[in-house]
Amino acid sequence: ETGVTQTPRHLVMGMTNKKSLKCEQHLGHNAMYWYKQSAKKPLELMFVYSLEERVENNSVPSRFSPECPNSSHLFLHLHTLQPEDSALYLCASSQGGGEIVGYTFGSGTRLTVV
Amino acid sequence: GNSVTQMEGPVTLSEEAFLTINCTYTATGYPSLFWYVQYPGEGLQLLLKATKADDKGSNKGFEATYRKETTSFHLEKGSVQVSDSAVYFCALKTSYDKVIFGPGTSLSVIP
Repeated sequence: ETGVTQTPRHLVMGMTNKKSLKCEQHLGHNAMYWYKQSAKKPLELMFVYSLEERVENNSVPSRFSPECPNSSHLFLHLHTLQPEDSALYLCASSQGGGEIVGYTFGSGTRLTVV
Repeated sequence: GNSVTQMEGPVTLSEEAFLTINCTYTATGYPSLFWYVQYPGEGLQLLLKATKADDKGSNKGFEATYRKETTSFHLEKGSVQVSDSAVYFCALKTSYDKVIFGPGTSLSVIP
């Protein structure tokens, strides 16, 4: 399988649940990203991992907890979420460093918090 | 800091109409410029890119020219189809920095 794969595609969870989003890339990239896309809002960069080390955390609430166990996998652990956290969560990867390249995105996980 | 500005949507066109989506940028250094497309229910896909001034990126009938003098990277297509209905994001990247995305422009093409 090639590209960036995100699972699940859809997730409905209660505010007291704990769930995890998974992202996997088979492109040999060394940087991975989590984005949040809400209706009528710009893309929000949440976390950046480079060489498996978190290099950016854009003031994201602690109820979102990322994990990058290796360069091919990225997780977003969710707990005690709020209804306003309902959104499309996108994972992306790239070959970081000085080379000017774009990102490769997954299809996203559509999260609904009830 | 670096930033990208796009025309506000939504844009609604009839099939076979000419499309222009404006994009301007502010950046230090010499960025690469991108257009991404997001079809309904999907993630973003790279549509085209240009890495230096006067370069023209093209793909699937879409074109954009890197204009350093006007700091612009407008997206054009001569004849749109219903299948082009999507959200289009202009973006830039400089070396050793992350990609900066514009807010997106929604395009709806009606038969």
